[in-house]
Amino acid sequence: SAVISQKPSRDICQRGTSLTIQCQVDSQVTMMFWYRQQPGQSLTLIATANQGSEATYESGFVIDKFPISRPNLTFSTLTVSNMSPEDSSIYLCSVLRGGYTFGSGTRLTVV
Amino acid sequence: KQEVTQIPAALSVPEGENLVLNCSFTDSAIYNLQWFRQDPGKGLTSLLLIQSSQREQTSGRLNASLDKSSGRSTLYIAASQPGDSATYLCAVLNFGETSGSRLTFGEGTQLTVNP
Repeated sequence: SAVISQKPSRDICQRGTSLTIQCQVDSQVTMMFWYRQQPGQSLTLIATANQGSEATYESGFVIDKFPISRPNLTFSTLTVSNMSPEDSSIYLCSVLRGGYTFGSGTRLTVV
Repeated sequence: KQEVTQIPAALSVPEGENLVLNCSFTDSAIYNLQWFRQDPGKGLTSLLLIQSSQREQTSGRLNASLDKSSGRSTLYIAASQPGDSATYLCAVLNFGETSGSRLTFGEGTQLTVNP
C-alpha cells in the first residue's frame, strides 16, 4: 500500500482566510481523492484530482471554494477558501492502490 | 446509489470481551470492502481489505467476513483491549461506467473498551 504524508496536521484559522493542505505520496498514483469529515459524521468525497486535468467535484462542492492542484503524480493540494466556522472539519486525502490509503488528516478549526 | 449501514453506532465493552461489528450495503456489486480504524481527530488506518471474491480476511485479533450476496460484512475483534477504543468504519468500493471508482462509507461504530 502507499504511504501518504499530509500536512498540516491541524490548524486554527480566522474566518475569511484560506488554508492550503498538502499531500505527498511515496509512489506515483493516477488519482488522488479529497474527503471532508464534519464533526460526528462519516467521510464525504469533495473531489477527485487527476494529474494534468481539472479536478472532478462532487455535488455540493465547487472549485472556487475548494481549489485543487495536482502538479505531478505524487503530490496534490486542497485549499479551503474564504473560510467560515462551517468549514471546521477534518480534511483527508486518499489514494487507491489495492485498497484505499488515507493521509493522517488535517483538523481545521475556523474561529 | 450505494448505501452503507453500520450497527451498532456505539458499543462499550469490558476488556477481554470478544465483539462483532456489523456492516451492511445495498448494492452487492462491490469490488472490495475495507474496514478502517479512526482515532479521535485523526486519519484512517486500514485494518482489513476483502476482495469481492473472498469470504474473509484475518489480521492478528481481527477477522473480517464478507457475504456479498446478502450485502453484509462483520468485523470480529477477539480479546478486546483498551487500545482498541476507536471508531471503526466500513467502506465499500464500486466501479461505475461513468462514475469511476466510488468509495462509500458507513457512519461508523464508536467502540470503547473499558479496563
